[in-house]
Amino acid sequence: GPKVLQIPSHQIIDMGQMVTLNCDPVSNHLYFYWYKQILGQQMEFLVNFYNGKVMEKSKLFKDQFSVERPDGSYFTLKIQPTALEDSAVYFCASSFNSQNTLYFGAGTRLSVL
Amino acid sequence: GEQVEQLPSILRVQEGSSASINCTYENSASNYFPWYKQEPGENPKLIIDIRSNMERKQTQGLIVLLDKKAKRFSLHITDTQPGDSAMYFCAASEGNSGTYQRFGTGTKLQVVP
Repeated sequence: GPKVLQIPSHQIIDMGQMVTLNCDPVSNHLYFYWYKQILGQQMEFLVNFYNGKVMEKSKLFKDQFSVERPDGSYFTLKIQPTALEDSAVYFCASSFNSQNTLYFGAGTRLSVL
Repeated sequence: GEQVEQLPSILRVQEGSSASINCTYENSASNYFPWYKQEPGENPKLIIDIRSNMERKQTQGLIVLLDKKAKRFSLHITDTQPGDSAMYFCAASEGNSGTYQRFGTGTKLQVVP
């Protein structure tokens, strides 16, 4: 089936540093999402992105977070600076439209020390 | 925000019996209700979904029911097998472009021999 690729699979950084999580969504998909999951708990919505713009963002999407997808390349989530509570698995997802199936990547496990 | 409540959080059943997971939602504009299965260390994968123009859908041992009046939907796994052991998440979204899927809190299903 369609694949969403996430790079890296695991990232360990020191608190206060910047980190960029990369996502290569399904090629013909138009909507992109980031979700945060702590230790197998609830999938918490962070942000969605369409046509080069953020559509919606949750309270978890702090000012330190930003997303972009320059010219069809990776859809990225940048956290600058990172905090301890940012440690989690971050899942990227894409869909053709918002009523279609979400295809999730394998996740990036972020460990902030 | 618009919450999606999911119960139970943990469900332990005997192999061969059925398992039921229930979700309720708040936003009456919600019209798409997917269910995801997540194995440990993996990404969530869609297993079945239902749209608001249906009350019941069945596929490969899975049944989903939707009661729009009560804002309630449920997943029923018939003849459970050890391979069904996983986390299960319900989700709900509205039909408008750009809306995101809100996830339930998850159910850890354990199928014991």
